[in-house]
Amino acid sequence: GAVVSQHPSWVICKSGTSVKIECRSLDFQATTMFWYRQFPKQSLMLMATSNEGSKATYEQGVEKDKFLINHASLTLSTLTVTSAHPEDSSFYICSARDRGTGSNEQFFGPGTRLTVL
Amino acid sequence: LAKTTQPISMDSYEGQEVNITCSHNNIATNDYITWYQQFPSQGPRFIIQGYKTKVTNEVASLFIPADRKSSTLSLPRVSLSDTAVYYCLVGDGAYSGGGADGLTFGKGTHLIIQP
Repeated sequence: GAVVSQHPSWVICKSGTSVKIECRSLDFQATTMFWYRQFPKQSLMLMATSNEGSKATYEQGVEKDKFLINHASLTLSTLTVTSAHPEDSSFYICSARDRGTGSNEQFFGPGTRLTVL
Repeated sequence: LAKTTQPISMDSYEGQEVNITCSHNNIATNDYITWYQQFPSQGPRFIIQGYKTKVTNEVASLFIPADRKSSTLSLPRVSLSDTAVYYCLVGDGAYSGGGADGLTFGKGTHLIIQP
């Protein structure tokens, strides 16, 4: 089946630094990837839609200058949290859609736990 | 996207059948119903999807009445490893619960299975 990986699985950083999270589709090409954020004991919230070769589309209330998304290839999307602050501590999850099947099914990565001190 | 309502939590015992019901009164004609499972600190996993009547796969069944205003996820003979949060999503497009857009997750149902 389709596999999506994320790296790193967890990261701890100091306030004010930037952190990059990678999302890779391992055995399929993904024209569209999605980034979600999940706070403890809460549901997933869609942050942005990442399309290969074009700018990401951000959900209302998500700062595009703070959460930089790059989808430079059909198998990789990156989310960079710039000038991270403790309130950015969360579980970040990506998902990808298989270009080859034409289906809208989304395959989720294992998530990245970000802790900002 | 149609809003969904699920019980916040449920508990059951190993070996029992568990039914989780989701209400979606404003479901549109071309909306599908999709269920995901999420374990702590992991990404969601697709369980099952349906449009009407009954759908069954190797892990679950999905019952959808004629009016489609609700759906019931049925997990046969649950085990401790079925303890997780289960999300019901409604939207257009196969397997998406949201068409061409990202998925809209509700609060989900926290299912706890006891020995």
